Amino acid sequence: EAEVAQSPRYKITEKSQAVAFWCDPISGHATLYWYRQILGQGPELLVQFQDESVVDDSQLPKDRFSAERLKGVDSTLKIQPAELGDSAMYLCASSLAAGGALYEQYFGPGTRLTVT
Amino acid sequence: GNSVTQMEGPVTLSEEAFLTINCTYTATGYPSLFWYVQYPGEGLQLLLKATKADDKGSNKGFEATYRKETTSFHLEKGSVQVSDSAVYFCALNGGNKLVFGAGTILRVKS
Repeated sequence: EAEVAQSPRYKITEKSQAVAFWCDPISGHATLYWYRQILGQGPELLVQFQDESVVDDSQLPKDRFSAERLKGVDSTLKIQPAELGDSAMYLCASSLAAGGALYEQYFGPGTRLTVT
Repeated sequence: GNSVTQMEGPVTLSEEAFLTINCTYTATGYPSLFWYVQYPGEGLQLLLKATKADDKGSNKGFEATYRKETTSFHLEKGSVQVSDSAVYFCALNGGNKLVFGAGTILRVKS
């Protein structure tokens, strides 16, 4: 069964360092999402891609976060510089298309980031 | 804006007990509603969904009914198993964006 792949699974970094996460969606999925899940809370959407274009990055802290999906396939989320408050689980999801309940979002296992 | 409120956990039950996890929502229009489950060390998986009022979603013995009049989507299961231990998230989709509740931890003891 096809799955969303993420790496690394765990990352520990020091404050002010740069960190990057990678996501490989299910083959053929045009829509890709990055979520942040703070401990004890539900996931919150950071950025949504349709193919290589950003369609929603309203909750992305653009002073330190960036995301790209250059060829419309895999994606990278970067934080520079990392802050203590960035400690969280970063989840990637993909769907065939964007369309509410029509197209299920499939989630990867996540990257757990700890900033010290 | 859109929001989801679900009961705080952890919920601890004995095997074969009846489960209810409450979920209420605030939204403009008529969102679609979902329950996701997250097993330890894994990503979120869609458990069930409902797209309009009075729809009942069901899967693996779990079910939830979309109640527009009470803006609720409570998750139920008649007889839980140890393997149901996980975190359960209620979510809505309004405007092509998923909004999640905080999650409810379920622990089932044998």
